[in-house]
Amino acid sequence: KAGVTQTPRYLIKTRGQQVTLSCSPISGHRSVSWYQQTPGQGLQFLFEYFSETQRNKGNFPGRFSGRQFSNSRSEMNVSTLELGDSALYLCASSLQGNEQFFGPGTRLTVL
Amino acid sequence: KQEVTQIPAALSVPEGENLVLNCSFTDSAIYNLQWFRQDPGKGLTSLLLIQSSQREQTSGRLNASLDKSSGRSTLYIAASQPGDSATYLCAVIGSQGNLIFGKGTKLSVKP
Repeated sequence: KAGVTQTPRYLIKTRGQQVTLSCSPISGHRSVSWYQQTPGQGLQFLFEYFSETQRNKGNFPGRFSGRQFSNSRSEMNVSTLELGDSALYLCASSLQGNEQFFGPGTRLTVL
Repeated sequence: KQEVTQIPAALSVPEGENLVLNCSFTDSAIYNLQWFRQDPGKGLTSLLLIQSSQREQTSGRLNASLDKSSGRSTLYIAASQPGDSATYLCAVIGSQGNLIFGKGTKLSVKP
């Protein structure tokens, strides 16, 4: 069974731009969660989607948004990028929010 | 607010040693606890999941224990190998369903 995939793997943007990251969960998994990892803050929860509905949200500004499609694939969008948004963005999928399986991440660099 | 702490932050051991990584959490009302491994620049690999009703889980040379009442979990690695070198992360799932991570223990196993 294929694992969680994320595209693109690397991304370089400039301040003020917006970016969209994509995540395809393990087949059959309906829950997709997003996390941001930085050296200073560690891993922080962004949001979770289940059956196309946002079920839980972390403490991030409204510039961070997401959605989930009927095939469980998920996208997250960051608008008006800031230097501090440079991070590794990780997506995780699970059957019902139990054991979570992570993708390889998207490394976002904001210049 | 749930907080997860991992001690030590870094650990260096010679090959063949048995070792213990520690994780503590402030709120004992957790649904489960998951241990991960992360290699530099990579995503997270799930090692073990312990349900809140369980006391321990084993996989190969790894054994994880959970004591909810004291807010502690340990990850025991037997007969360590250079390939075990990585950062080990502990995370708990609370009532909201999202993972709350510690900052990790960076393990280096010297040949």
